[in-house]
Amino acid sequence: AQTVTQSQPEMSVQEAETVTLSCTYDTSENNYYLFWYKQPPSRQMILVIRQEAYKQQNATENRFSVNFQKAAKSFSLKISDSQLGDTAMYFCAFMKHELTATSNSNSGYALNFGKGTSLLVTP
Amino acid sequence: NAGVTQTPKFRVLKTGQSMTLLCAQDMNHEYMYWYRQDPGMGLRLIHYSVGEGTTAKGEVPDGYNVSRLKKQNFLLGLESAAPSQTSVYFCASSIWYTQYFGPGTRLTVL
Repeated sequence: AQTVTQSQPEMSVQEAETVTLSCTYDTSENNYYLFWYKQPPSRQMILVIRQEAYKQQNATENRFSVNFQKAAKSFSLKISDSQLGDTAMYFCAFMKHELTATSNSNSGYALNFGKGTSLLVTP
Repeated sequence: NAGVTQTPKFRVLKTGQSMTLLCAQDMNHEYMYWYRQDPGMGLRLIHYSVGEGTTAKGEVPDGYNVSRLKKQNFLLGLESAAPSQTSVYFCASSIWYTQYFGPGTRLTVL
């Protein structure tokens, strides 16, 4: 089974500053997907950014970018120009590139989540 | 377009009671999933479905059953609730590898 580790349970950053959240994963797969999800106090899970392992270029979505190091199995999230609305739990997640699911397997498109990093943005 | 909806939003059960959580999606997605989230942990997969009439076990399936009689609905059942099933339950759907989540159901078993 794939494991996802987020080594920072809590972080804080001042508004307008930049913060980086760490994520490492363990897998023997070569093709897979990585995600960052945001969970604000409303509890809704919101996709922040995704990265396909076969792409060397790091994904970027507005103020959010990743540093994907495939050999090191590292997938960090950088938030630039932090805003108060960025306060949330952030979860790193791994997904195998699987086209079919067998009846007794937990593969398929299932996400394996880390335990999360609680980010607080202060004024 | 409501996306993924879950019913109910909150529920309190007594040990041994049964209940069904309903997940509905209006995006015509083939794949649907049920996760649970416990304090200090990420989401863990309970069961999933790759299409109407199919279901499969995830990481933590014990104590739960599921059904996918219609493509748009995915039901999660607890036959005899236990305090260990106190959790927040999330449903998700996908057409490929990006999953879209419902708002969650907070379930407390006393």
